[in-house]
Amino acid sequence: DTAVSQTPKYLVTQMGNDKSIKCEQNLGHDTMYWYKQDSKKFLKIMFSYNNKELIINETVPNRFSPKSPDKAHLNLHINSLELGDSAVYFCASSPSDRGSEAFFGQGTRLTVV
Amino acid sequence: GENVEQHPSTLSVQEGDSAVIKCTYSDSASNYFPWYKQELGKRPQLIIDIRSNVGEKKDQRIAVTLNKTAKHFSLHITETQPEDSAVYFCAVTNYKLVFGAGTILRVKS
Repeated sequence: DTAVSQTPKYLVTQMGNDKSIKCEQNLGHDTMYWYKQDSKKFLKIMFSYNNKELIINETVPNRFSPKSPDKAHLNLHINSLELGDSAVYFCASSPSDRGSEAFFGQGTRLTVV
Repeated sequence: GENVEQHPSTLSVQEGDSAVIKCTYSDSASNYFPWYKQELGKRPQLIIDIRSNVGEKKDQRIAVTLNKTAKHFSLHITETQPEDSAVYFCAVTNYKLVFGAGTILRVKS
């Protein structure tokens, strides 16, 4: 009964491919996020959804497209993968987008070769 | 947008000593200030948080202080232990959760 789960945990793929990462939370939270953690450990927010609606879209290439079929799921699709996309991607959820704890998934380590 | 600066980037202390990590932020409307700990290969996890109407909060060996006027807050860890070694992130939220760059804490035994 993992609270925030993402799949896959590891993803190795070639440049130019398209891939998806799935995220699900069973906490009943309204807000979900995607973060990118690069090799220097910096956690950069990419997207934020509140009740299935996109709230924040940081400066992210439009090759990255989030999709939220319902408020328990936030998937990330990446087109035309580049070497610089290699990173750990974390999904997170919180009760609201105003001042509450975020719970993170276990992360997906994406390696583009 | 919100800008969060965190210092130092690395911190080495001897077991039993105290460790202090500081963060400053830019958006005066920010109202929630959590601290996360990330062990190697693991996910970030909340260790303590503070809201804008409180100046200090303590939980056993961990404390956080907030100065809203100066827009800075700090994490204090006393009696450090080797298992405290990790990356620590401060964060700030108004309508989105923005993280500082992280501090690598090494506790030497």
